Amino acid sequence: DSGVTQTPKHLITATGQRVTLRCSPRSGDLSVYWYQQSLDQGLQFLIHYYNGEERAKGNILERFSAQQFPDLHSELNLSSLELGDSALYFCASGGLTNTGELFFGEGSRLTVL
Amino acid sequence: GENVEQHPSTLSVQEGDSAVIKCTYSDSASNYFPWYKQELGKGPQLIIDIRSNVGEKKDQRIAVTLNKTAKHFSLHITETQPEDSAVYFCAARSSYKLIFGSGTRLLVRP
Repeated sequence: DSGVTQTPKHLITATGQRVTLRCSPRSGDLSVYWYQQSLDQGLQFLIHYYNGEERAKGNILERFSAQQFPDLHSELNLSSLELGDSALYFCASGGLTNTGELFFGEGSRLTVL
Repeated sequence: GENVEQHPSTLSVQEGDSAVIKCTYSDSASNYFPWYKQELGKGPQLIIDIRSNVGEKKDQRIAVTLNKTAKHFSLHITETQPEDSAVYFCAARSSYKLIFGSGTRLLVRP
């Protein structure tokens, strides 16, 4: 158990819809990272938050947005969903400690029909 | 932008043999290079990492080497076991993010 909690584990929705994925980082971690993993693909970096502020942005679509709240949990909002958005979305915390290690959650599997 | 290339994409070895996975990175400022193992249905988990001031690091059957001049690093697994079968990702830290390679699916045949 990494200590990172993601909900929901599975989500099935239709094209054009909007969903919100939630992440609670490990206790004590101020950083949250979001990654997208499509079928048989690598981990694509989406966005990084540190203590409520956006620190780095990857190839995140304009239809996607994220935020980190004062209690440090984070939400990834995906709107106007397309079939190609079907993927595993991982949240990770850590990374800015001395070790640099990222701890990943179990992921949220999104299926867009 | 920053990029990490990883090879091979799939690797099949006999139990007991060694496995080698190679990565190259583009950002010369990268200073931290972790390797993650992802088992089916789970999130990636760190197995070993190396920093730019070290050329090699070993942990039991796993070792990682780093060549900063050539900007490449490798994972070596010796005496492979069936439980080593998984997808392995290399990564390089660039600014405030970890950039991952595309992954290597390792199959260890009993």
